[in-house]
Amino acid sequence: DGGITQSPKYLFRKEGQNVTLSCEQNLNHDAMYWYRQDPGQGLRLIYYSQIVNDFQKGDIAEGYSVSREKKESFPLTVTSAQKNPTAFYLCASSIDQGKAFFGQGTRLTVV
Amino acid sequence: GIQVEQSPPDLILQEGANSTLRCNFSDSVNNLQWFHQNPWGQLINLFYIPSGTKQNGRLSATTVATERYSLLYISSSQTTDSGVYFCAVGPNNDMRFGAGTRLTVKP
Repeated sequence: DGGITQSPKYLFRKEGQNVTLSCEQNLNHDAMYWYRQDPGQGLRLIYYSQIVNDFQKGDIAEGYSVSREKKESFPLTVTSAQKNPTAFYLCASSIDQGKAFFGQGTRLTVV
Repeated sequence: GIQVEQSPPDLILQEGANSTLRCNFSDSVNNLQWFHQNPWGQLINLFYIPSGTKQNGRLSATTVATERYSLLYISSSQTTDSGVYFCAVGPNNDMRFGAGTRLTVKP
């Protein structure tokens, strides 16, 4: 099946822990993105990458980190510096200047 | 940064009715897309439409880039059309989303 796979679907984090969310795509897309969605809100851009080994901060990058070592993978780490990490996290990919396709999301809860 | 405003914020329709959703944006863009988010959170891409008009079944979209707005038309609405509709825009690949229009279609 072609598409974008995010894992896990649900994730629970203790205060002070770092956690990593996985995003893998087999669409051969160059660009990948991470968004955060809070209840009843739109999506806010965390980080994006237009090419392997390069990425840029979005509007709410503080407390998050990413890597882009492979074209098909763009993992997001939520660090302990992120003070309010409970949210729905969505990963997307696209060709340059093309339609973006989203994964099914990861719901992160701090316990 | 670029500002995106969607209207109306909420819309309730009877099945079979038509509707128009609007997206205004504050700067010139090369990328504009419409998405539908279902109740389980999945985002489905409806249109990539930085300019012009496109149609896909009961849905169509028009973007007037010079006037910085886009419209999404839904005709003969069905209960399965319920959910949140988002407009996302950007100068390039990095899109910013509006707050969405929550559509409820009643049988």
